[in-house]
Amino acid sequence: GENVEQHPSTLSVQEGDSAVIKCTYSDSASNYFPWYKQELGKRPQLIIDIRSNVGEKKDQRIAVTLNKTAKHFSLHITETQPEDSAVYFCAASDGGSQGNLIFGKGTKLSVKP
Amino acid sequence: DGGITQSPKYLFRKEGQNVTLSCEQNLNHDAMYWYRQDPGQGLRLIYYSQIVNDFQKGDIAEGYSVSREKKESFPLTVTSAQKNPTAFYLCASSLAGGLGELFFGEGSRLTVL
Repeated sequence: GENVEQHPSTLSVQEGDSAVIKCTYSDSASNYFPWYKQELGKRPQLIIDIRSNVGEKKDQRIAVTLNKTAKHFSLHITETQPEDSAVYFCAASDGGSQGNLIFGKGTKLSVKP
Repeated sequence: DGGITQSPKYLFRKEGQNVTLSCEQNLNHDAMYWYRQDPGQGLRLIYYSQIVNDFQKGDIAEGYSVSREKKESFPLTVTSAQKNPTAFYLCASSLAGGLGELFFGEGSRLTVL
């Protein structure tokens, strides 16, 4: 089955710097890769996603890149702000007909003002 | 106001007791999911349902049971057979199954005394 590895588990940056979180997946049939943000005490929310027919997607300060050959995808946050502090989860669809998501273990991002 | 509602938010249970967590959605989504979240473990799929009166086991279904008698409702029962039930439980729904955005509830924190 699908396995998703996420690194780093914790990340601390200064406000205004960039942050990069990386994930690898094992199932070459995976075709959907979302990223969720979970602020402390709140529910996870989708912030960006990418499908396997696209190599890169941007939404303001957030971008995701996908390398299907290497089976890895990354989240890039530029000009970080304190409100970006949260736990970020990557996920990959399991390649089956149901397309269930397999989540990484999360990255706790801290942005220091 | 559309959304997904979980109850109760906090629940305490004695060992050997079954407990049922409620999940209701008014988003008209066909697919519903239960995830378990433990510190440093990401989100792990317990059960999912793509349609009324049908559901499938996820990766960690042992000790849990579900029902899907109505489109809006997907309750999860944590049975006494679950060896380590203390955790944070998240319910989610999706319009497009696993290949679309998951909308999460606020979660239920279960503590076994």
